[in-house]
Amino acid sequence: GDSVTQMEGPVTLSEEAFLTINCTYTATGYPSLFWYVQYPGEGLQLLLKATKADDKGSNKGFEATYRKETTSFHLEKGSVQVSDSAVYFCALRVNRDDKIIFGKGTRLHILP
Amino acid sequence: DVKVTQSSRYLVKRTGEKVFLECVQDMDHENMFWYRQDPGLGLRLIYFSYDVKMKEKGDIPEGYSVSREKKERFSLILESASTNQTSMYLCASKPTLGETQYFGPGTRLLVL
Repeated sequence: GDSVTQMEGPVTLSEEAFLTINCTYTATGYPSLFWYVQYPGEGLQLLLKATKADDKGSNKGFEATYRKETTSFHLEKGSVQVSDSAVYFCALRVNRDDKIIFGKGTRLHILP
Repeated sequence: DVKVTQSSRYLVKRTGEKVFLECVQDMDHENMFWYRQDPGLGLRLIYFSYDVKMKEKGDIPEGYSVSREKKERFSLILESASTNQTSMYLCASKPTLGETQYFGPGTRLLVL
């Protein structure tokens, strides 16, 4: 079945470090891919998305490229800030229905 | 801005009680969703609704029911709460033709 696998956390980095959170997926058809972020005490909010192969989603300095050949959608940021500390969820939506399948989440801690 | 509100941020109930979790969205979205979020398991879909009076089972519907009498409101019901239903519950909504789900802040439920 359709699934999302993302790297386990927690990930701890110093401020201004480079961030990569790996995400791979398994899906029949042609999914749309998402990164959602959950800040402490809040619900999830969409960070970025990509709807077809080779698309790059970007927002708030974060980027992820839809790689069909490697079935991946890794999240990257060149210089993280303390305010980026949150839980990040990779997710996919297969076009046949409206359900979104989420990964288990990666907790990110940024140290000042 | 889309706003999804949930009736309580924190709730403490006793085993066997009937529990109602309410979710309201103000953007006239057709689709609404209930998830539970547990450490190491990510988000799991309990129930969703495509429209008023319609409901579909998600991946873990056992022990839960839902009600959608009005378009803006989607209620999750625990008929007889059990300790294994202690969790964070997240509600989300989206328009039929959109891909992005908009989440509420969550209700953290503790069943004693």
